[in-house]
Amino acid sequence: AQKITQTQPGMFVQEKEAVTLDCTYDTSDPSYGLFWYKQPSSGEMIFLIYQGSYDQQNATEGRYSLNFQKARKSANLVISASQLGDSAMYFCAMREGGSGGYQKVTFGIGTKLQVIP
Amino acid sequence: DTGVSQDPRHKITKRGQNVTFRCDPISEHNRLYWYRQTLGQGPEFLTYFQNEAQLEKSRLLSDRFSAERPKGSFSTLEIQRTEQGDSAMYLCASSDRGEDTQYFGPGTRLTVL
Repeated sequence: AQKITQTQPGMFVQEKEAVTLDCTYDTSDPSYGLFWYKQPSSGEMIFLIYQGSYDQQNATEGRYSLNFQKARKSANLVISASQLGDSAMYFCAMREGGSGGYQKVTFGIGTKLQVIP
Repeated sequence: DTGVSQDPRHKITKRGQNVTFRCDPISEHNRLYWYRQTLGQGPEFLTYFQNEAQLEKSRLLSDRFSAERPKGSFSTLEIQRTEQGDSAMYLCASSDRGEDTQYFGPGTRLTVL
């Protein structure tokens, strides 16, 4: 089974609108972490947001928030007030195992977001 | 504050040649990771260093691949006898002791002709 599933190959959003990028995960480890990274056409992976499996509240970082639904094993990324510079590939990723230890991270295949002026 | 740097950014080589890539992590980050990313896929884990010790290697890392981190600072990834299937983006990341987040460099794009 895929550890990280991103079912939206591509998404369009109007500038200034909000958009949700879907991510579901599969793990039997009680301790894990979920990440979202942005990859512009230049290739660099830019860290956006992190959610630990024991965190009680959904993570937020500026215009990014992570809608964490543990029972559903979903970790959707919400981008509010989209900007043209948000056009990029977005990857969901998961760390399994205890925090602060060895960090093997598994990535999904990504969602291409295009922001329309 | 400098991030993770990688050199070269692009490499074109002929099949059968050896190539070496360098990664300089964020200073004082003791953990360093190499990933490979092919077109249309997310990054795939290759190997992990804690300080100078290589603690984990993926089975993707065939015997043509070798990675080193001799003094626990920069790392090199060497591919011997390159094949066309090695064409990919090679990404390096680093993380600090006790931190969950890996910070990535800009990658080295390898094209094997």
